[in-house]
Amino acid sequence: EIVLTQSPGTLSLSPGERATLSCRTSQSVGSSLAWYQQKRGQAPRILIYGASTRATGIPDRFSGSGSGTEFTLMINRLEPEDFAVYYCQHYGTSPTYTFGQGTKLEI
Amino acid sequence: QLRLQESGPGLVRPSETLSLTCTVFGGSITSSSYYWGWFRQPPGKGLEWIGSIYYGGTTYYNPSLGSRVTISVDTSKNQFSLRLSSVTAADTAVYSCVRIPKFDLYWFDPWGQGTLVTVSS
Repeated sequence: EIVLTQSPGTLSLSPGERATLSCRTSQSVGSSLAWYQQKRGQAPRILIYGASTRATGIPDRFSGSGSGTEFTLMINRLEPEDFAVYYCQHYGTSPTYTFGQGTKLEI
Repeated sequence: QLRLQESGPGLVRPSETLSLTCTVFGGSITSSSYYWGWFRQPPGKGLEWIGSIYYGGTTYYNPSLGSRVTISVDTSKNQFSLRLSSVTAADTAVYSCVRIPKFDLYWFDPWGQGTLVTVSS
């Protein structure tokens, strides 16, 4: 079973700054990695899939990079609405999934 | 517009079986283009995939839940269901159902509103 480890657990930044979130997988997942944003009381929203492809409607201040076992989500010029919990997720060729434990981005 | 709605008891006693149903409105569960899935999120904690099903009956389960989980589909009612046996307090969570496109497995849309299930005596 693939384990996803996100760091840091909590990231404290201010609007306008840049956030860098990391996700490490216990074995190579190629580019089969997605990033989700979840706000309190809401369902997760996909931001990035294929490690680096922005989902439809996602602002270009969100970017994903990496392959294999090391992945990064970068958020430039933080907006107040970006403060939320972010999860990385591995998906395969069948509908099976593993999530990281999440990074809380707080003001 | 397709909508999913979870239903089932909000309180389950320890060691008993949690049973939830997800009803699909505005679309057919027999569409060949989609899987259907269950996720959960304990209060204040992270997301966990429980399992997925295709309308023909093919199932995929989270290995961490072992043989406790069963997902089934009832095409006549446009529903799919979750059963989780031998529950403990660790199974207390918001349970949500989703639709999963076959060729975009990362895209969960829509989500049901989620239902909180508490395991307590």
